[in-house]
Amino acid sequence: EVQLVESGGGLVKPGGSLRLSCAASGFTFSSYSMNWVRQAPGKGLEWVSFISSSSSYIYYADSVKGRFTISRDNAKKSLYLQMNSLRAEDTAVYSCARVTTYSYGMDVWGQGTTVTVSS
Amino acid sequence: QSALTQPRSVSGSPGQSVTISCTGTSSDVGGYNYVSWYQQHPGKAPKLMIYDVSRRPSGVPDRFSGSKSGNTASLTISGLQAEDEADYYCCSYAGSYVWVFGGGTKLTVL
Repeated sequence: EVQLVESGGGLVKPGGSLRLSCAASGFTFSSYSMNWVRQAPGKGLEWVSFISSSSSYIYYADSVKGRFTISRDNAKKSLYLQMNSLRAEDTAVYSCARVTTYSYGMDVWGQGTTVTVSS
Repeated sequence: QSALTQPRSVSGSPGQSVTISCTGTSSDVGGYNYVSWYQQHPGKAPKLMIYDVSRRPSGVPDRFSGSKSGNTASLTISGLQAEDEADYYCCSYAGSYVWVFGGGTKLTVL
């Protein structure tokens, strides 16, 4: 079964850090580009960051640029998001999503991990 | 990277058709034929329903269709069914590996 499972969320104080992980299974992880997408409570989806299959291309939303770092380990079939200098507005469910090889849609999503930034 | 504009809610009766609009700019929706639509039921992960403006992934019913005119994309759901009640999000590729989502539309099946 094709699956993405996120972990690493939790409660953190403003200014703190967290590292999210996304474990992939059921497909050749190294062949796919990946996105992180977040959803604040009661809000819509927001694209956060992109990484290409070989990590050659990495991009961030303006809202997280300079604070978040995306990375991957193809041998471990895992995607990561290092989040530093966290703010209250970063509170959200963070999901990893697979980008299709044939277009720019995202065809596999994880259930997400919750990040709460609060003092 | 401004969010695409969607109506907050739409509704329809079983069997009817509804259309959800998604308005962007020439830098996203209007500039690329890479608009996708996602269905999200409460507490669930989003599901890809339409990609490349009008293409359906395998397994998505042909009741779901997409189109685009200028800077506005649309998702049409025909023959509404109770299980279609969900939130729907449009998303456009905006170049340089950047994506932008719409604010989401809540579909209510009356």
